[in-house]
Amino acid sequence: QVQLEESGPGLVKPSQTLSLTCTVSGVSISSGSYYWTWIRQPAGEGLEWIGRIYASGSTNYNPSLESRVTISADTSKNQFSLTLTSVTAADTAVYFCARERIVVPAATFDPWGQGTLVTVSS
Amino acid sequence: EIVLTQSPGTVSLSPGERATLSCRASQSVSSTYLAWYQQKPGQAPRLVIFGASNRAPGIPDRFSGSGSGTDFTLTISRLEPEDFAVYYCQQYGRSPLYSFGQGTKLEIK
Repeated sequence: QVQLEESGPGLVKPSQTLSLTCTVSGVSISSGSYYWTWIRQPAGEGLEWIGRIYASGSTNYNPSLESRVTISADTSKNQFSLTLTSVTAADTAVYFCARERIVVPAATFDPWGQGTLVTVSS
Repeated sequence: EIVLTQSPGTVSLSPGERATLSCRASQSVSSTYLAWYQQKPGQAPRLVIFGASNRAPGIPDRFSGSGSGTDFTLTISRLEPEDFAVYYCQQYGRSPLYSFGQGTKLEIK
């Protein structure tokens, strides 16, 4: 079955760059039927969509983060990555990667990775 | 920007009771692109309902969704112990492309 797993540093210093990778198994990220997405959740709070990447390499970002976010993909490793620059404490959250369906059930996220906690602190 | 407001923030019910969770959008949302997720502590969200009223694979038939336009509802007809969790509604289509409600916590009374 399809599985996603996030990896990356759990601690990032303020003003530095957060980098996470999502490794996908069970399906090729080059498949044209899906987007590959990052979503985050601060502790005790709700979910915030960060952005997505398509098989072609095209991306879409949340306007609130767009100036600091880059999502890229390495199809040879079946991975996609998140880079968030100039982080502050407000970026402390659990970061999830997820598969976004284009066809029915369209515009839904399934499955998700288990999530990885990133803390921004000096 | 579309804002999804869920109510109540927390609801306390007993197993066997009926739960009705509300999601109200600040602008009209296509029913095709309204979904509900269940999240338990320490876990990723799980898709429950898509297209406003369609159960995701593996979701029991005690879960149902309804609504259109700006008002959507998730109903759990007879609560089981495993249903107590936080539920989020989600929309697609307006800037930002995706947004979520703030969640409703369904807790055991």
